[in-house]
Parts: sequence; structure tokens; C-alpha cells
Amino acid sequence: DGGITQSPKYLFRKEGQNVTLSCEQNLNHDAMYWYRQDPGQGLRLIYYSQIVNDFQKGDIAEGYSVSREKKESFPLTVTSAQKNPTAFYLCASNQAGTGNEAFFGQGTRLTVV
Amino acid sequence: GQNIDQPTEMTATEGAIVQINCTYQTSGFNGLFWYQQHAGEAPTFLSYNVLDGLEEKGRFSSFLSRSKGYSYLLLKELQMKDSASYLCAVLYSGAGSYQLTFGKGTKLSVIP
Repeated sequence: DGGITQSPKYLFRKEGQNVTLSCEQNLNHDAMYWYRQDPGQGLRLIYYSQIVNDFQKGDIAEGYSVSREKKESFPLTVTSAQKNPTAFYLCASNQAGTGNEAFFGQGTRLTVV
Repeated sequence: GQNIDQPTEMTATEGAIVQINCTYQTSGFNGLFWYQQHAGEAPTFLSYNVLDGLEEKGRFSSFLSRSKGYSYLLLKELQMKDSASYLCAVLYSGAGSYQLTFGKGTKLSVIP
């Protein structure tokens, strides 16, 4: 089945460690997005990518990094520079351009202890 | 980022109608989406508007006024399962790219 997959669903890391969240889609979508959601809050855009080997910073990119080496994959690294990394992270994809709904992965809940 | 405003919380009675409003900055606008999100889950798509007017889909309808930078989601015949957060998202274009920006969401509680 076509879809977008994030793994793992729950992730625990020690403070000061970098951690990479996986996002894979087999929908042949050009655009991919990473959002962060804190309790009771909306989605805030971290990074997005319209095509392979290109990506742009969103509203809260500091302390995060991404790569887009393949169309299907858009991994997010949460670095030790991110001061409050504990959050729910959502990856989404859509066909670039207007009118195309974004499909979401199931999310990764990252807890830094 | 682009400011997208919606009420934080709303409460409505089962069987009633509720309207959730969303206002946004109009510069670079390329379409507006509504998503539903249950706690701890990923958002699911409800509706899309790019032209002015009303789009109806079963119990859910969404309205857009581009000149006013305004949209609303209308939920009819409310059911308990409609208790969720409703997210307004705007697709903005600029410098050759498209950015999907979300509001903070409206938490709807449906009571018996």
C-alpha cells in the first residue's frame, strides 16, 4: 500500500545526543515536510523540501538538520543544539503545487532525558 | 512565518452545528486545508479550498473568502467522535517553493 512511514513511533535519547528520525514515502511525492507539535499546540514547520537535494528552513529550524538525497526519504536529525527537543514530530508529503493534500506519517514521539 | 489564527477551544452539544473560524495572511496564498487530529495521532485531511465559496462534503463544509483572508469549517449533526483538534493550514508560495503552514488548532469538545 502507498503511504508515508515514520519510525520509530517512540524514541528515547539522553540529553546531548544527536538523534535521527526516519521518514519514507512511496507515494512519488515531490514535497516533504517536517513539523514539530508540542502538547496542546499546533504544528510548527521545521524544514521542507520540494525536490531532491534541495530543502528550505521553516519557522523553527534551529537545532535541526535534514537531507534529501532520495525522493522517498527525508530524515530529520535533532542535534544537541536543540534546547527543547522533547516533542511529537510529524512528517508529511504531497505533490508539489496547489491543491494537493498533505499526507502524514504516524509521528514519532521523542523524549530526551 | 505566516500568522494563521483560530480559536483555541470550543465546546458544542451532540447533534448541534459548530463553526470553526480561521483567518490568515493573504500574501502568497495558494490554497487552504482543514485537517482533523485526534490526540496522539497524525492529522487527517478533511477539505481543501482555493476558490471563494463553500465546499460541502457530507457533514463537513468549508468556506473561503480570499479577499478577507477568512475560512470556516462547519460541522453538522455533531457526534461524540468529532471531539478532536481541527487544524487550519495554508499553502503559501514564494521564491519558487510552496510552504504548508498550520494554525495552532482548535480543540473541539462535543458534550452529550
